[in-house]
Amino acid sequence: NAGVTQTPKFQVLKTGQSMTLQCAQDMNHEYMSWYRQDPGMGLRLIHYSVGAGITDQGEVPNGYNVSRSTTEDFPLRLLSAAPSQTSVYFCASKRTGPSYEQYFGPGTRLTVT
Amino acid sequence: AQSVAQPEDQVNVAEGNPLTVKCTYSVSGNPYLFWYVQYPNRGLQFLLKYITGDNLVKGSYGFEAEFNKSQTSFHLKKPSALVSDSALYFCAVRDSNSGYALNFGKGTSLLVTP
Repeated sequence: NAGVTQTPKFQVLKTGQSMTLQCAQDMNHEYMSWYRQDPGMGLRLIHYSVGAGITDQGEVPNGYNVSRSTTEDFPLRLLSAAPSQTSVYFCASKRTGPSYEQYFGPGTRLTVT
Repeated sequence: AQSVAQPEDQVNVAEGNPLTVKCTYSVSGNPYLFWYVQYPNRGLQFLLKYITGDNLVKGSYGFEAEFNKSQTSFHLKKPSALVSDSALYFCAVRDSNSGYALNFGKGTSLLVTP
């Protein structure tokens, strides 16, 4: 199994540009989520999905959209990039239920100038 | 809201010595607690979790964690540190309000010196 994969690994955007961060998992996990990691702040939840066709907002959803058309894929869209969105983005997946651990992708480092 | 706190930004320990990375929690109900490790420029890797049962939980790479309900703590421990244990460590708690996502602490940087 490849686990959780993310593309691209690095990205530089100009303010106002849009882009999509890709995330895929091959473990048949129902639950997927996006986090951003900023120095000294840990990881903060952006959006999550409990299954295909179902998405919801996390702690810091503004400026981001998600969709979940298949179990495997959970793309994150930046609508109009801002410097405040410079961060490292991690996608994660897990089995449904409270006791299961999350599996994380390798991350996408995004810089917005 | 369910939350965890990691009171130390950095922990320094000599190779071969025992290490402890601290975590305290604040939850309503039973806590589901996790530890993750992040090596430079990598994603997070799961180390161990406490769901219920024994207060001493054993995990990957020789790590263990002690759940203490009276002190609301879940400290990560290892009897003998290795230089390769140097990394960023995150404590996390299950969040019941977001489909069981995780609320993370700010992280503790562990530096093991030869």
